[in-house]
Amino acid sequence: QQQVKQSPQSLIVQKGGIPIINCAYENTAFDYFPWYQQFPGKGPALLIAIRPDVSEKKEGRFTISFNKSAKQFSLHIMDSQPGDSATYFCAASIVSGTASKLTFGTGTRLQVTL
Amino acid sequence: DTGVSQNPRHKITKRGQNVTFRCDPISEHNRLYWYRQTLGQGPEFLTYFQNEAQLEKSRLLSDRFSAERPKGSFSTLEIQRTEQGDSAMYLCASSLLGAEAFFGQGTRLTVV
Repeated sequence: QQQVKQSPQSLIVQKGGIPIINCAYENTAFDYFPWYQQFPGKGPALLIAIRPDVSEKKEGRFTISFNKSAKQFSLHIMDSQPGDSATYFCAASIVSGTASKLTFGTGTRLQVTL
Repeated sequence: DTGVSQNPRHKITKRGQNVTFRCDPISEHNRLYWYRQTLGQGPEFLTYFQNEAQLEKSRLLSDRFSAERPKGSFSTLEIQRTEQGDSAMYLCASSLLGAEAFFGQGTRLTVV
């Protein structure tokens, strides 16, 4: 059972555009929602994360929007650049207690063209 | 470099052989995780340690897989009698309790 669904599978935007990647989760016990960026041959790198007590978080050009009632969250990349071309993964976990493993989405391959 | 270190970066092995991977976490991190990532998919949780105790194992971790973290420092992941289906990127991550997890570069395993 896939607990975190991610869409779209791939995305092409022009430089300066605002790609949006969406995720939906099922387990209401999740209380931590990070986004990771991964380049080919590298491990995932943490971009930004949010807890469910806020609806939006911004760090530089990256923004997470969170809708607790809909069990959805999304990543927006402002003023996208060719260097942002990578695969992006959303994830979710339960931070409290012992079960803090991450459940990942299937990834979105982003290409930013000139 | 004070990040998570994994060795080797690449491993090619023949079917049926045993392989062992090593992960050195960020030094003060008490939690260490192993994930497996196949092409075009997100990482899948395998197991994690808090200090030297292995607290959870995924059903993906068959009896051919074993992980250890002696003394709560580095960790090893061993796969016995490798199969072609074991070909994947094996990722290690570490964190402090309740904090963000940082990943290593991974070990790419190819079973031929």
